This record gives sequence, C-alpha cells and structure tokens, in this order.
Amino acid sequence: QVQLVESGGGVVQPGGSLRLSCAASGFTFSTYDMHWVRQAPGEGLEWVAAFSYDGSSKHYADSVKGRFTISRDNSKNTLYLQMNSLRAEDTSVFYCAKGRSGSSIFDHWGQGALVTVSS
Amino acid sequence: ETVLTQSPATLSLSPGEGATLSCRASQSVSSYLAWYQQKPGQAPRLLIYDASNRATGIPARFSGSGSGTDFTLSISSLEPEDFAVYYCHQRHNWPLTFGGGTKVEIK
Repeated sequence: QVQLVESGGGVVQPGGSLRLSCAASGFTFSTYDMHWVRQAPGEGLEWVAAFSYDGSSKHYADSVKGRFTISRDNSKNTLYLQMNSLRAEDTSVFYCAKGRSGSSIFDHWGQGALVTVSS
Repeated sequence: ETVLTQSPATLSLSPGEGATLSCRASQSVSSYLAWYQQKPGQAPRLLIYDASNRATGIPARFSGSGSGTDFTLSISSLEPEDFAVYYCHQRHNWPLTFGGGTKVEIK
C-alpha cells in the first residue's frame, strides 16, 4: 500500500536551515505529482509547495517563495524540502502528500515531521 | 489567491444527527474542490474530490455538492468516529488553498 514517511524535522534557530525528506513506497513515485503541506500548532492546513511528476513545474506558496525549495529524486523515490532563512512562524508539522492521478488532490499523506524554529 | 471560507467554525451535534458544512470560495473554482477529515494527532484524510466524488473507502453517509463558489459537505447520520475537523481545498487556481476548517464536536 502507499506509504509516505517524512524525516528531517527538528529544532532550528531563526535564520537557520533544515532539509525534510519524504520516502515514498507502494506506488510508482515517478508518475505522480507530490506536495508539501504544513500545519502550525493548533491551526489549519497550509499548502507549501508542489513538484510535478516529470519535473516540468514547481509551485510555491507566497509565504515560502524564495526561502524554500522543493525537489525530488525519482531514482530514490524521495521528495525533499530545503528550508532556508527559517522564521518562528514556520514552526509547523510538515506533511508530504501524493497527488491523485495527475491532479492536486491529496489522496495519501505522510504522518508529518515537526519543525520548530526557536532560539 | 482564492480564499475559502468555511462555516460554521464549530458544529455541535449528537451521534445520529445529520451535519451540513459549508465552503465558499472568493472566486470560481469550478468543481475542483475537495474535502478532508482530520482527527487529533493524525494526518488529514481525503473524503471527497471534485466536489461530489467519494474517495476510496469513504462511507456513503458522506456526500458533497456544489460548483463555482458554493460547496457543501453533508454527513447523513453522524457516527462516533465522524467527530473531527473538516477542511475544504481548491485546486483550480495557484496557489492551492484550504479553508480554515469546521470542527464537528459532540454535543
């Protein structure tokens, strides 16, 4: 079955960097768009970034544009999120999500990775 | 950016009752609207996509309707496991956006 496992979360100081990974299994990773979605403590969901299956397009939320970079390695079935210039307001659980059949419908989610930005 | 406004923020109901949740978009999203359920400490789960299509394994008591700017998620008869937070999400316009959520709590 589809599995998405995030890793790389932790505590980082404001202005610091962190890279999240999402290991995918149970489906043909290279044929699906992938996304990152985050959720601040006690808050709602916020879409962060998307990467098309073939690498032809990437999209970012305005709140992270220029600071975060989404990438993928189809040979390793892994999605990444490089986060630079982190701010306190980036503190969130970050979820990796799979797009359904060439769409941006999130049909499977990972369990999430907590990123805490604090001095 | 397409803003999704969900109402009410909280719905207090008893098991067995029906629930109606609303999601209104600031501009048309055609039928490209999905609904997710989230329980405490868990990742969200896809319930409905493209306004009215149930995702795999979702019980028939969940149904979605609407198009353009006004959408509804209906739960015909609440089961104990249905008490959770529900989010709508649009994929018609970039950036993708979510509504603020409706919490369905036990009365």
